[in-house]
Amino acid sequence: EAGVVQSPRYKIIEKKQPVAFWCNPISGHNTLYWYLQNLGQGPELLIRYENEEAVDDSQLPKDRFSAERLKGVDSTLKIQPAELGDSAVYLCASSREAGTDTQYFGPGTRLTVL
Amino acid sequence: KQEVTQIPAALSVPEGENLVLNCSFTDSAIYNLQWFRQDPGKGLTSLLLIQSSQREQTSGRLNASLDKSSGRSTLYIAASQPGDSATYLCAVSKVYGGSQGNLIFGKGTKLSVKP
Repeated sequence: EAGVVQSPRYKIIEKKQPVAFWCNPISGHNTLYWYLQNLGQGPELLIRYENEEAVDDSQLPKDRFSAERLKGVDSTLKIQPAELGDSAVYLCASSREAGTDTQYFGPGTRLTVL
Repeated sequence: KQEVTQIPAALSVPEGENLVLNCSFTDSAIYNLQWFRQDPGKGLTSLLLIQSSQREQTSGRLNASLDKSSGRSTLYIAASQPGDSATYLCAVSKVYGGSQGNLIFGKGTKLSVKP
C-alpha cells in the first residue's frame, strides 16, 4: 500500500511569491490534514478535511493561506504571498476516520522563503 | 487549552540500555494518545496508538503506557540500538466540538543511541 505522497519535497522562493504544495493521501482515507512544523517544534494543525469538506480551518491564516480538496482525494495548500516567517516544513497526513484512527504522515515539503 | 510536554528534550544513551521517554498533557479529555518517530528530514512514523480506554500498547521492543487521570504517558524502549536514534513525538487527540480528532503534539525528545 502506497503511503502519503507529497510534492515538491523542497521549495525555495523569494518573499511575496506564491507557492503551492500537493498531497495525495492513502487510498480510502477520508480524512486529510495539513500541518506546519517549525524547527525544533511539534507539528501544528492548519486544516482538516473530511472528504471534500474543510471541517476545521480555525488555525489557517486565511489572509494568505488557502487549501482545497476537490473530489475528496488529493489536496493542495497554497500560500500567496509568502513571507519570511512561512519558512517551515509542511506535512500532510491522512487517516480512515478522524478521532480514533492512526494518522499517517507524508515526508513533508521543506519551504525556504528568502 | 491542551498542552503537551515532553521530558527530556534530548537524551543520549549507550547501545543496549533500556530507556523511558515521558509525555504529559494538561487535559485528560482525549480520544487517544499516539507516539511517533521522526528521522531527520523525514515525515512522522506512527509507533503506537493508545485509545483512551486502554492502559498500554506494545510493539516489539516498544511499550507505551497511558494514565489519563494523571495526564501522563511513557514510551519504554528496551535494549536500545543505534537505529533507534531519532526524535520521538507524543500527541494527544482532542475531544471537543469540531476539533475532535485533531492532534496536539509535544516538542519531542531527541534520542541518540551511541554504539
